[in-house]
Amino acid sequence: AQSVTQPDIHITVSEGASLELRCNYSYGATPYLFWYVQSPGQGLQLLLKYFSGDTLVQGIKGFEAEFKRSQSSFNLRKPSVHWSDAAEYFCAVGNTGTASKLTFGTGTRLQVTL
Amino acid sequence: GAVVSQHPSRVICKSGTSVKIECRSLDFQATTMFWYRQFPKQSLMLMATSNEGSKATYEQGVEKDKFLINHASLTLSTLTVTSAHPEDSSFYICSARSHTYEQYFGPGTRLTVT
Repeated sequence: AQSVTQPDIHITVSEGASLELRCNYSYGATPYLFWYVQSPGQGLQLLLKYFSGDTLVQGIKGFEAEFKRSQSSFNLRKPSVHWSDAAEYFCAVGNTGTASKLTFGTGTRLQVTL
Repeated sequence: GAVVSQHPSRVICKSGTSVKIECRSLDFQATTMFWYRQFPKQSLMLMATSNEGSKATYEQGVEKDKFLINHASLTLSTLTVTSAHPEDSSFYICSARSHTYEQYFGPGTRLTVT
């Protein structure tokens, strides 16, 4: 069964500082990996995805993530955080073939201090 | 980008009544839609997969007679919570899968059962 672990429940960074959110997955084959962001009371917005190819993927809002098969990780990074980035971030793994069934991590709440 | 809407965004109903939530893909056709449930400060849990023109597939532990799903067209899926009880109060989110296997999420529906 596929699973996702986000070890950090809550992270606080200063505006302008760099950010890295951790994500580890468990899946038998090459996974489809996603990062989503959720603002309070809102649905999820896709930041970026990895299906195959280049292991460093670029997303929206200046985010990027790197797929590391040897570490079963897909960490999300941003070089300079903005106050508007404060939100809940979810990593998800989808089954290959159709990526239909997404399994989400428990999320990391990002707080940005000014 | 692909847009998914949900209606209503917020609903309050009395215990024992039924509530219908609509999920629409506005600018693309979705043969598959998904329904998730999210408890406060928790991750999304997949409830069921909705396929256009066929019966929904429910995840283990989800009562199919309580959470009725209908996917009558390529742009509309509905979730009806029947005989609602306070424990059904939650945030319900739908998603629609595009032909590129990405899931686009609706803004969610906050259900409160009194």
